[in-house]
Amino acid sequence: KAGVTQTPRYLIKTRGQQVTLSCSPISGHRSVSWYQQTPGQGLQFLFEYFSETQRNKGNFPGRFSGRQFSNSRSEMNVSTLELGDSALYLCASSLETGGGEETQYFGPGTRLLVL
Amino acid sequence: AQTVTQSQPEMSVQEAETVTLSCTYDTSENNYYLFWYKQPPSRQMILVIRQEAYKQQNATENRFSVNFQKAAKSFSLKISDSQLGDTAMYFCAFMFDSNYQLIWGAGTKLIIKP
Repeated sequence: KAGVTQTPRYLIKTRGQQVTLSCSPISGHRSVSWYQQTPGQGLQFLFEYFSETQRNKGNFPGRFSGRQFSNSRSEMNVSTLELGDSALYLCASSLETGGGEETQYFGPGTRLLVL
Repeated sequence: AQTVTQSQPEMSVQEAETVTLSCTYDTSENNYYLFWYKQPPSRQMILVIRQEAYKQQNATENRFSVNFQKAAKSFSLKISDSQLGDTAMYFCAFMFDSNYQLIWGAGTKLIIKP
């Protein structure tokens, strides 16, 4: 079974631009979560989606948004990029059948550099 | 607020030795899950082991085992017969039941020397 895939793997943008990152979960997984990883702040939770609904959101400004499609694929968008948005963005999926299958499996990440 | 603390920023051991990574957490919840993930230089986050808080038995996965002390809120990872491929950042993480959000420690950089 294929793992979580993320595209693109690397991205360079300039301040003020916007960016969209994509995540395809493991087949059959219904939950998708997003995390930001930076050297200074470590790993921080952005948001989580299940059945096209955002169930949980971390403490990030409204410039960070996401969505999930009916096939469970997810996108996150960052508008008006700032230098501090440079980070590795990790996507994770989990089964979430209601039986406690909450373990999250991660994709390879998208490395975003904002100049 | 829930927090996860990894007190060892970096550790190094010789190949084939046993090493223990520490993790403590703070929560008032009773139902939760604990995880250890490793992140090698490739940056791929890989699940090492998981533990349900309601289970008293410590989880094991081949050379990896945990020492889960619920009352002390401690969740250490033991790696036996360490291998060069174990070199990575190791993160301890915590999730409430039905919360869907991992709360992470700062990580421990583990170096296995030949």
